[in-house]
Amino acid sequence: EPEVTQTPSHQVTQMGQEVILRCVPISNHLYFYWYRQILGQKVEFLVSFYNNEISEKSEIFDDQFSVERPDGSNFTLKIRSTKLEDSAMYFCASSSEGGRGTEAFFGQGTRLTVV
Amino acid sequence: GQSLEQPSEVTAVEGAIVQINCTYQTSGFYGLSWYQQHDGGAPTFLSYNGLDGLEETGRFSSFLSRSDSYGYLLLQELQMKDSASYFCAVKRAGSYQLTFGKGTKLSVIP
Repeated sequence: EPEVTQTPSHQVTQMGQEVILRCVPISNHLYFYWYRQILGQKVEFLVSFYNNEISEKSEIFDDQFSVERPDGSNFTLKIRSTKLEDSAMYFCASSSEGGRGTEAFFGQGTRLTVV
Repeated sequence: GQSLEQPSEVTAVEGAIVQINCTYQTSGFYGLSWYQQHDGGAPTFLSYNGLDGLEETGRFSSFLSRSDSYGYLLLQELQMKDSASYFCAVKRAGSYQLTFGKGTKLSVIP
């Protein structure tokens, strides 16, 4: 069964450092997303990406964040200068359609710990 | 703005039926999805309602009433492995994102 894969599963970084979280979406999907979940809280939308550009972003997704699809398979989330409050589980997701209620497939997540 | 309300915790007995409710206030409402998340795991899609009525997928069913801004997830023949958090999530027209509720932690007991 196709799946979304994320690496690393866990990353610890010092405050102020840059981190890149990596994702390989399902191969025939066209829409890609990043969500985050602070421990014990709800899943929050960060950004969606379609046709090599950001299609929508939330207030959380400020100038510290950026996304890229560098090679046609990987989809990355970069946080330029991490803050303590960036500590969370980051989920990548993909779907075959974006505008309808079709299933979004989530990866297993990267747990980011900023110290 | 948007808001979704669902109970924080529910406990049910193995083999029983449980209903998890979700009420929402959303402008431009398009559809309601349900996701399951085990501790430390990824959200997994369960069901989607775009129109009023009941959608059935095996032991899981989901219902939507757009006029009442209300939906529920029904889990039948509960199994221990159903112990997890269940999130309702709203999709708005013209938007790509899912807005999740805070989740309902279901505990299935013997």
